[in-house]
Amino acid sequence: GAVVSQHPSRVICKSGTSVKIECRSLDFQATTMFWYRQFPKQSLMLMATSNEGSKATYEQGVEKDKFLINHASLTLSTLTVTSAHPEDSSFYICSALLSYEQYFGPGTRLTVT
Amino acid sequence: RKEVEQDPGPFNVPEGATVAFNCTYSNSASQSFFWYRQDCRKEPKLLMSVYSSGNEDGRFTAQLNRASQYISLLIRDSKLSDSATYLCVVNKPQGGTYKYIFGTGTRLKVLA
Repeated sequence: GAVVSQHPSRVICKSGTSVKIECRSLDFQATTMFWYRQFPKQSLMLMATSNEGSKATYEQGVEKDKFLINHASLTLSTLTVTSAHPEDSSFYICSALLSYEQYFGPGTRLTVT
Repeated sequence: RKEVEQDPGPFNVPEGATVAFNCTYSNSASQSFFWYRQDCRKEPKLLMSVYSSGNEDGRFTAQLNRASQYISLLIRDSKLSDSATYLCVVNKPQGGTYKYIFGTGTRLKVLA
């Protein structure tokens, strides 16, 4: 099956700092990747759609200047949470599209203190 | 009305039981349909895509009813390891591309 990795798996940072999360498709190329966040006992919330070589498409209510997305190659998309605050603490999950199926990375648990 | 609706459960069933989940979607232009399972504090894993003619993978059977706009997942001979949240995912056309809509999930607990 298609494998997607995500790094780091867990990060704790101080309020005001920035955190970069990497999402890689290991055995396939992905023109499109997605970034989600998930709060405890809630469903996934799509934050943005990342397209290789073009600007990301952000969902309503998601600040593009706060959540910077770069999809510089067909196997790598990055999400940078800038000036993180405690309310940004969440589980961030990426997925990569292969044909019409999404394959998810293992997620990054971000805690902002 | 939510675009994709699922009964949140939980469905508590004994080992060996057969359990069925339904999911309804609102956009008749939706093209692709999927079932994912998600374990607690883990990422969703693709269980199966749902094809128009229905499809089966071992103990799992998925059906699509376009006329009534619902998909279903049937699990036979439930195992303890089937305990998870099952997510229904539907994609719909939007702005020249497709957007994937997730249901809130149905929790399944298989009891010994």
